[in-house]
Amino acid sequence: NAGVTQTPKFRILKIGQSMTLQCTQDMNHNYMYWYRQDPGMGLKLIYYSVGAGITDKGEVPNGYNVSRSTTEDFPLRLELAAPSQTSVYFCASNAGELFFGEGSRLTVL
Amino acid sequence: AQKVTQAQTEISVVEKEDVTLDCVYETRDTTYYLFWYKQPPSGELVFLIRRNSFDEQNEISGRYSWNFQKSTSSFNFTITASQVVDSAVYFCALSEPPIYNQGGKLIFGQGTELSVKP
Repeated sequence: NAGVTQTPKFRILKIGQSMTLQCTQDMNHNYMYWYRQDPGMGLKLIYYSVGAGITDKGEVPNGYNVSRSTTEDFPLRLELAAPSQTSVYFCASNAGELFFGEGSRLTVL
Repeated sequence: AQKVTQAQTEISVVEKEDVTLDCVYETRDTTYYLFWYKQPPSGELVFLIRRNSFDEQNEISGRYSWNFQKSTSSFNFTITASQVVDSAVYFCALSEPPIYNQGGKLIFGQGTELSVKP
C-alpha cells in the first residue's frame, strides 16, 4: 500500500520556469490537499480538493494552479517560478486523519 | 476564523525530563478535530493523535499524553521522560467539521521545535 506519493523529491528551478509537482494516492480518498512549509511558519494550505473535478483555494494560492481529473491524482502547477516559492511542498489526503506524502523540496534561483 | 497557536517556538530539555508542548486553538464550530503531528529531522510528517471536540478525556500512549480542555481551548501534549529520539518539530492542528466522515481542511500551528539533549 503506497499511500500518498509525491514526485519529484527535489528540484531546482530558475526564475520564470514552470513545473508540476505530482501527487497520487491509492486509498480512494476524496479529500486531497497541497501544503507548503516554510521554516518556522508551519504548514500553509495552497489548494485543496473535495473530489474529482472540484478544487478550491486555500490560504496561499497565488502563483499556483491545480487540477483534479481523477480521484487518485492531484498535481500542483507552478507557472512562473519565483524565489518566494522556494519551500517544501506536501501533498496529503484525508479520511479523518491526514496522510502525507514525503514532501518535495523546491528551490527557485 | 480558525486559528492554532503554538506559543513555544523552541524548547530544549535534557533527556529524562518531562516536557509539555502547548496548543491553543480558536474556532466557532462546535464539531471539530484536533491533531498532533511529529516532524523528525528526516522531514516526514508523522500522525500522533486525533481528538474530536466531544471527547475531552485525556489520552495516554506510552510516554505521550494529551490534555484537551474545551474551557480554555487548549490541547496540550506532554512527553514524559523525554528521549533524544523525541527531538523533532511538533505541530498541533485543527480540522473543520468532517463531511461524510472524510475530514476537512487542517489548519496548523507554527510548530514547536523540541530538542532533547543527552
